[in-house]
Amino acid sequence: GDSVTQMEGPVTLSEEAFLTINCTYTATGYPSLFWYVQYPGEGLQLLLKATKADDKGSNKGFEATYRKETTSFHLEKGSVQVSDSAVYFCALSDPRGSGNTGKLIFGQGTTLQVKP
Amino acid sequence: EAQVTQNPRYLITVTGKKLTVTCSQNMNHEYMSWYRQDPGLGLRQIYYSMNVEVTDKGDVPEGYKVSRKEKRNFPLILESPSPNQTSLYFCASRDRNNSPLHFGNGTRLTVT
Repeated sequence: GDSVTQMEGPVTLSEEAFLTINCTYTATGYPSLFWYVQYPGEGLQLLLKATKADDKGSNKGFEATYRKETTSFHLEKGSVQVSDSAVYFCALSDPRGSGNTGKLIFGQGTTLQVKP
Repeated sequence: EAQVTQNPRYLITVTGKKLTVTCSQNMNHEYMSWYRQDPGLGLRQIYYSMNVEVTDKGDVPEGYKVSRKEKRNFPLILESPSPNQTSLYFCASRDRNNSPLHFGNGTRLTVT
């Protein structure tokens, strides 16, 4: 079945460091890919998305490119801030793989801690 | 403001005592879903609903019930909670297929 695998955390960086969180997926069809962010004590918020191969999603300085050849959607940011400390989830929605239920399949989450 | 509202935020209960976690959305979304979040496992879908009176099991439905009598509400019912249902629960909704999910702020449930 469809699945998402993220790099294990926690990831600890100093402020202004470069961030990469790896995400790879397996899917039956042609999924849409998402990154969600969860700040402490809050629900998940959509960070960015890409709906087809080679699309680049971007928001708040974060970017991720949908790479069909490597089945990857790695999250990057050039210069992290303390306020970026959160849990990041990679997810996919694959209508063909889910019987068109639109189910979102999540990775296990990666905790990012940014120190001043 | 567009939002998904869950209540309560925190709940401590004992084994076997029936409870309901409410979820309401004000965006006229057809699709609603419940997830539970556990360390190292990410989010796993419990139940979902494609529309009023249409519900179906997700990946971990055992021990849970849902209902969808109105479009805006999608309560999660635990008829006889057990300690393995201690978790963080999220309700979510979305518009059309493949559009992003909107999440509530979560309900932290502890069953002793």
